[in-house]
Amino acid sequence: GAGVSQSPSNKVTEKGKDVELRCDPISGHTALYWYRQSLGQGLEFLIYFQGNSAPDKSGLPSDRFSAERTGGSVSTLTIQRTQQEDSAVYLCASSAGNTGELFFGEGSRLTVL
Amino acid sequence: GNSVTQMEGPVTLSEEAFLTINCTYTATGYPSLFWYVQYPGEGLQLLLKATKADDKGSNKGFEATYRKETTSFHLEKGSVQVSDSAVYFCALSEKAGNNRKLIWGLGTSLAVNP
Repeated sequence: GAGVSQSPSNKVTEKGKDVELRCDPISGHTALYWYRQSLGQGLEFLIYFQGNSAPDKSGLPSDRFSAERTGGSVSTLTIQRTQQEDSAVYLCASSAGNTGELFFGEGSRLTVL
Repeated sequence: GNSVTQMEGPVTLSEEAFLTINCTYTATGYPSLFWYVQYPGEGLQLLLKATKADDKGSNKGFEATYRKETTSFHLEKGSVQVSDSAVYFCALSEKAGNNRKLIWGLGTSLAVNP
């Protein structure tokens, strides 16, 4: 597609449920990032995929969080047993290579009740 | 480790006022520096960048100069408009092996009043 696409744009769930957030990066971009943005906060790095290399998972806040990137394209961020503090906007970005220039999706807003 | 510090907001200005948002960094090596902008209800987008010392990035009337001697990359605009109201993020790109990671500032909210 023309840009980074994320779905769903909004998700409301109950505490304890699992959620999956999807990111479709720009075609051909080898790097894919997930970030979390809480109200009034900056960007919190979660995970980074680069080509076929092992992902950098150093930002995942707990073992309830995981992410996959299938076929070097679409990525899914999964949050198990959601907690209220998981409420945030989850941002996906992709990049063509080692430039550091990222293209962001509009984010998935997660609300955990 | 590497870090980015930008001035806290919110910043409130009148239309046509001069804008400066300060950004300083600590880094080893020679990172690239970026300003990203997030307009209300939209995703982040790249505003401008500079890849080496003394480079000036510019876009939409905004400018920032990569100053290695002061480790700064301050964002400036001579005359802001209401449409510039947004959150601005300073970031640096560090190379770790074959990978690049961005280090982000906390963002500065700008509100421009007519």
